[in-house]
Amino acid sequence: GAVVSQHPSRVICKSGTSVKIECRSLDFQATTMFWYRQFPKKSLMLMATSNEGSKATYEQGVEKDKFLINHASLTLSTLTVTSAHPEDSSFYICSARENYKEFFGPGTRLTVL
Amino acid sequence: GDSVTQMEGPVTLSEEAFLTINCTYTATGYPSLFWYVQYPGEGLQLLLKATKADDKGSNKGFEATYRKETTSFHLEKGSVQVSDSAVYFCALSSGEYSSASKIIFGSGTRLSIRP
Repeated sequence: GAVVSQHPSRVICKSGTSVKIECRSLDFQATTMFWYRQFPKKSLMLMATSNEGSKATYEQGVEKDKFLINHASLTLSTLTVTSAHPEDSSFYICSARENYKEFFGPGTRLTVL
Repeated sequence: GDSVTQMEGPVTLSEEAFLTINCTYTATGYPSLFWYVQYPGEGLQLLLKATKADDKGSNKGFEATYRKETTSFHLEKGSVQVSDSAVYFCALSSGEYSSASKIIFGSGTRLSIRP
């Protein structure tokens, strides 16, 4: 089946730095990708919809200047957490759809010290 | 807005026991309903889905029936195995499911099966 990868799987950074997370669809093209955030023992929260070649659509309450999304090609979307702070520590998950089936990446654990 | 509520875990059962994980939803219109599973160290995978009332989704021995009258989509399996240990998420897609539909997830239920 279709595979979605994320890189890195785990990152630890200092407060104030920026972190980029990549999401790739490995064997299919995805015009739309989704970025989620998962808090401990909580559900996945949709952060934004990433659209190839155009601006991302952010959910209410998500700061677009803090969470920069770039969907530069049909197989790659990136999420950059700018000026990260400890409260940004979380599990970030991306997904992409092929033929109306959604495929999730394995997630990226971000820890901000 | 639309939401999904599922039973809190963790749920611990013995092998071959009967499993039910409750899920109820709130939505306007006619959502599609899903169960996703996340095995340790892996990404979420679609387990089963139902797109209209009274539809039954099934896969790997798991079943769930879309009950509009009770706004529920409970997950069941007659005889669980150790390999079923995972986190299960109930979810809905508002309106007709398309390539850009938003999916709303429940909080997840961790299931552990004892040999």
